[in-house]
Amino acid sequence: AQRVTQPEKLLSVFKGAPVELKCNYSYSGSPELFWYVQYSRQRLQLLLRHISRESIKGFTADLNKGETSFHLKKPFAQEEDSAMYYCALSGGTSYGKLTFGQGTILTVHP
Amino acid sequence: GAVVSQHPSWVICKSGTSVKIECRSLDFQATTMFWYRQFPKQSLMLMATSNEGSKATYEQGVEKDKFLINHASLTLSTLTVTSAHPEDSSFYICSASSFRGSRLGEQYFGPGTRLTVT
Repeated sequence: AQRVTQPEKLLSVFKGAPVELKCNYSYSGSPELFWYVQYSRQRLQLLLRHISRESIKGFTADLNKGETSFHLKKPFAQEEDSAMYYCALSGGTSYGKLTFGQGTILTVHP
Repeated sequence: GAVVSQHPSWVICKSGTSVKIECRSLDFQATTMFWYRQFPKQSLMLMATSNEGSKATYEQGVEKDKFLINHASLTLSTLTVTSAHPEDSSFYICSASSFRGSRLGEQYFGPGTRLTVT
């Protein structure tokens, strides 16, 4: 069975501080990992995926297969980063269905 | 970017009645649509995966006779909550995807439908 764990339900940082949102997964095969974000009063949207190895809005995430982690990082948090962040795993099924973590609410204080 | 709409955005119905929620991909053809349920302050729970022209695949524990899903075209999927009860009150979200290969798992989400059963 596949599982995604986000241990922090709430995370608060000050503007300009580094931020790391943790994500651990459990999956027997080769997973595809994603970070989705939901800003206030907006729909869920894709932030980044591990396979693209890109930085979006200053965020990066590296897949660590040894630690089965996919932590999301940003060196200098901004107030507009305040949102709900979900880590998600696609287990390589034919249709790409996602298993979501519980989500982390990030609040960036001025 | 791709847009997914849901209708209605909120609905109140009486216990025992049925409610239909529509999910449309507005500017792309969605070969696969997904239906999720989200309880307050909780994560999204996948209910079913729907492919155009075929029967939906339901997740374990989801009653397929209660939550009827139809994916009649590449731009429309519907979720019908039959004989709704107060415990069916929830936020229902759909998503759509047309990706394959390395982009599997990339989904475009609708804004959600708030269902309240009285």
